[in-house]
Amino acid sequence: DAKTTQPNSMESNEEEPVHLPCNHSTISGTDYIHWYRQLPSQGPEYVIHGLTSNVNNRMASLAIAEDRKSSTLILHRATLRDAAVYYCISRSGNTPLVFGKGTRLSVIA
Amino acid sequence: SQTIHQWPATLVQPVGSPLSLECTVEGTSNPNLYWYRQAAGRGLQLLFYSVGIGQISSEVPQNLSASRPQDRQFILSSKKLLLSDSGFYLCAWNPGQTKKETQYFGPGTRLLVL
Repeated sequence: DAKTTQPNSMESNEEEPVHLPCNHSTISGTDYIHWYRQLPSQGPEYVIHGLTSNVNNRMASLAIAEDRKSSTLILHRATLRDAAVYYCISRSGNTPLVFGKGTRLSVIA
Repeated sequence: SQTIHQWPATLVQPVGSPLSLECTVEGTSNPNLYWYRQAAGRGLQLLFYSVGIGQISSEVPQNLSASRPQDRQFILSSKKLLLSDSGFYLCAWNPGQTKKETQYFGPGTRLLVL
């Protein structure tokens, strides 16, 4: 899997948008970009994934750079329940997801 | 719909004792199955994965082993636990056919070795 780089931590105010960046400069043309998050004392849960085009779902949006070397997970309105560790993963082949350290998001009321 | 179960939810074991953690998936067939471990304050470490009955791939050398006796059952074992085996053990599955398949995690087992 291509290596991804994320900030260790970020902070957001409640009800404001959050942009979580991820660099994956060695990504290959067929690797998908996956985002998962892990709430305290729980297993990771799927957030969103994409290949080239921007993606939207009920949880978040994923903006992928044109050169695919970076992407941004967008939470449109952060809530206290969005406080979690967010993992950006580039998956090559039919291989297991390999998790890095992720970004710990704190949401301030 | 598919569901994934893990038990027990929590476990306290003495050093040197054996371990058996079980994971089962319902509502799907021939899933890829995974065991991860998360030590306190650390990231997720992939331990084992399986693409079919009796097929186990080990990612890191350790005193743990995994088995898949049935299509939707994945077991993590140890003959003698070490203090360093303490952690949060997570089982996961996915349909496993393409790179875009979502991976689904179970509720986890919190293991404390004393």
